[in-house]
Amino acid sequence: AQSVTQLGSHVSVSEGALVLLRCNYSSSVPPYLFWYVQYPNQGLQLLLKYTSAATLVKGINGFEAEFKKSETSFHLTKPSAHMSDAAEYFCAVSEAGANSKLTFGKGITLSVRP
Amino acid sequence: DVKVTQSSRYLVKRTGEKVFLECVQDMDHENMFWYRQDPGLGLRLIYFSYDVKMKEKGDIPEGYSVSREKKERFSLILESASTNQTSMYLCASSTNPGGTGNTIYFGEGSWLTVV
Repeated sequence: AQSVTQLGSHVSVSEGALVLLRCNYSSSVPPYLFWYVQYPNQGLQLLLKYTSAATLVKGINGFEAEFKKSETSFHLTKPSAHMSDAAEYFCAVSEAGANSKLTFGKGITLSVRP
Repeated sequence: DVKVTQSSRYLVKRTGEKVFLECVQDMDHENMFWYRQDPGLGLRLIYFSYDVKMKEKGDIPEGYSVSREKKERFSLILESASTNQTSMYLCASSTNPGGTGNTIYFGEGSWLTVV
């Protein structure tokens, strides 16, 4: 069975500071990993995904994530936070043959201080 | 652009009512999903469908049913709404084949309040 752990529920950074949102996964087969972002009162938007090509994945809005099999991690980073990055972020995992079914973490709310 | 449209953004229903949440996608996707989102619990899968008239239970199907009579439309049904079903409901779709990390596209969500 697949699962995702996002430790903590809230991260606060200053504008211009590094953003680091952690995600660890559990999967019995090689996983596909995703980060989604949700802005207030909206649905989820794909930030980036790992599908067994390059381990460092670049996404939209300057975000990137690195797949580390040895650590079963897929942490999301951005070098310099912007006020518009304030949102909720979800890590998700799916497995081959699972009809794209995603299992989500509980989400992390990112706040950006001026 | 892929569009997943949920017919109602905000609904208020009474306990015991039958509730229909409708979802339509315009990209000819095979797979469609209904998730429920609650604070601190993330998104949990209620039901999904990988073909017309096909459905499979997700992690929390109790109290819900679904209908997929046409490829583009996937309905979530609450047979007898209860207050613990007050939540945000998200519909999503994706194409096949699964297993290649296909992106799932989400609608904007339906906020359901059961009073």
